[in-house]
Amino acid sequence: NAGVTQTPKFRVLKTGQSMTLLCAQDMNHEYMYWYRQDPGMGLRLIHYSVGEGTTAKGEVPDGYNVSRLKKQNFLLGLESAAPSQTSVYFCASRRQGRYGYTFGSGTRLTVV
Amino acid sequence: GENVEQHPSTLSVQEGDSAVIKCTYSDSASNYFPWYKQELGKRPQLIIDIRSNVGEKKDQRIAVTLNKTAKHFSLHITETQPEDSAVYFCAASIGYGQNFVFGPGTRLSVLP
Repeated sequence: NAGVTQTPKFRVLKTGQSMTLLCAQDMNHEYMYWYRQDPGMGLRLIHYSVGEGTTAKGEVPDGYNVSRLKKQNFLLGLESAAPSQTSVYFCASRRQGRYGYTFGSGTRLTVV
Repeated sequence: GENVEQHPSTLSVQEGDSAVIKCTYSDSASNYFPWYKQELGKRPQLIIDIRSNVGEKKDQRIAVTLNKTAKHFSLHITETQPEDSAVYFCAASIGYGQNFVFGPGTRLSVLP
């Protein structure tokens, strides 16, 4: 039982490049989330999904897109990376009716 | 929208002493307040939570108190140990919804 798995763990992008971060969970959780973590700012919600085929914007959605084609996967895309998107990205999931998150191990993204 | 403040931003205590971290929130409809611990380079992990119908909850050396009238809640760690050194995040649910706003975090250092 792997829990929540994020790939890749590290990535360096040049400004303007695109990439997709993958989050996969094997716990049959309905809810999935993408957060970014910056020093002194805690965790900020980018996008989230309450079920397969649904997505919604969080606190800081600009510059990101997401898709949830399968219940177990939640993809975060950066169409044109900017240095301001340098951050650590965490995926999380939880079961409907339960409030505690299970976090992935994070992706450290650097945009140069 | 919901705003969560957390104090102090850094806290150093001697091993065996107690540590207290305080959070305030703005949305009176918030009804669930989790605390996460994040060790260096690791993912956040839920350590304790409290719902709005309870004033205090305890789990071994960790306790959380909630004052709904004043809209603040606190994490108390007694008999601190070096392995308690980490960044601690509080969070508050957004209204009656399923998302959360996180505080900026408190870096706790337990000195031997």
